Amino acid sequence: AQTVTQSQPEMSVQEAETVTLSCTYDTSESDYYLFWYKQPPSRQMILVIRQEAYKQQNATENRFSVNFQKAAKSFSLKISDSQLGDAAMYFCAYRSEGYGGATNKLIFGTGTLLAVQP
Amino acid sequence: DVKVTQSSRYLVKRTGEKVFLECVQDMDHENMFWYRQDPGLGLRLIYFSYDVKMKEKGDIPEGYSVSREKKERFSLILESASTNQTSMYLCASSSSLGTSGGLSLAKNIQYFGAGTRLSVL
Repeated sequence: AQTVTQSQPEMSVQEAETVTLSCTYDTSESDYYLFWYKQPPSRQMILVIRQEAYKQQNATENRFSVNFQKAAKSFSLKISDSQLGDAAMYFCAYRSEGYGGATNKLIFGTGTLLAVQP
Repeated sequence: DVKVTQSSRYLVKRTGEKVFLECVQDMDHENMFWYRQDPGLGLRLIYFSYDVKMKEKGDIPEGYSVSREKKERFSLILESASTNQTSMYLCASSSSLGTSGGLSLAKNIQYFGAGTRLSVL
């Protein structure tokens, strides 16, 4: 079974600085998707960024980028120029490739609570 | 915009009550999910459904059941609520097909509701 591990329960960053959140996963599959979701205090879970395992290029979305190391099974999230609105719980998630049924499931890590200091 | 609506933000129930949590999505998604979120445990899948009247158990289905009579609605039922079911419940939906309602959506992305914080006393 696949597992996702986030080893940093809490992180803190100064406004305008850069922070990296760690995520490792375990799988025997070769094709899969990885996601970072953000959950602000309002509780609405929002997709931040997604990576397909078959793509070697790291995904980027504005100030958010990932460092995807497939061999090491590592998927870290880098937030550049941190803003107060980035303060949230961040979840790393894994999804198998495939269509339908159980392959639609997401497997989540336990989350990292990010605080942004002004 | 994709919208996933959960009927209640906060709910307080008594032990032994039957509890219904409702979730509605407006994007014609095939897949719908119920998660439970607890501190230090992340999100754990309770049940999911990939079609009307179809359901599959997730990782922690005990004490819960679900109903999906219409494509847009997925209900989570606590047959006899217990204190250990006090938690945050999140509903999500996704498309497997890549397009929905005329809009091109990246498939496999789950869209979440705002959550229901349930307290069982």
